[in-house]
Amino acid sequence: QQQVKQSPQSLIVQKGGISIINCAYENTAFDYFPWYQQFPGKGPALLIAIRPDVSEKKEGRFTISFNKSAKQFSLHIMDSQPGDSATYFCAASSLSSGSARQLTFGSGTQLTVLP
Amino acid sequence: DAGVTQSPTHLIKTRGQQVTLRCSPKSGHDTVSWYQQALGQGPQFIFQYYEEEERQRGNFPDRFSGHQFPNYSSELNVNALLLGDSALYLCASSMTGANVLTFGAGSRLTVL
Repeated sequence: QQQVKQSPQSLIVQKGGISIINCAYENTAFDYFPWYQQFPGKGPALLIAIRPDVSEKKEGRFTISFNKSAKQFSLHIMDSQPGDSATYFCAASSLSSGSARQLTFGSGTQLTVLP
Repeated sequence: DAGVTQSPTHLIKTRGQQVTLRCSPKSGHDTVSWYQQALGQGPQFIFQYYEEEERQRGNFPDRFSGHQFPNYSSELNVNALLLGDSALYLCASSMTGANVLTFGAGSRLTVL
């Protein structure tokens, strides 16, 4: 199974609140889990990524929590700001014969942060 | 430093036609991947090029083909266009063996 399931589809949060987006995967060969942020009219941009040998990674206001046994990972955005309003995608990949990783993306979460 | 550049940004075609999309990778990157992003969906992997050869391919029909040039730039060709081919086509570049992919802003294709 190559699918990555993402929820919720949309999320509305007040400024200063915590935004939480969840993803689940089936393929235990996945060993790299990035999150991408996409603004309208732009391509996805890497936000933060984690490997399965750690349970949490924090960069500024963004934290990934990873549960290997449950095959789930989540993105937490602390102190959410209106500028965080964008679509967020989780992704996963495994080492392959190619020269670079092939990403399997979730379906995306449209985040709106109200001022 | 320019990132990944794609052209054209928008184009409209009719069913049955053929289209060519172009991508220039970020400076220093030698691998190019193409993704299709349907409206409201996550990107789906089409294929990856390295050293002018297709290295990996996703679940896309042979109507989708590509090419990589000696300067690492790449083209995506789609033949016999279908309405369902309407999407944002994203190019991503990376260095060999790197985890990080840098995406371009995409080419939005509308098939009428």
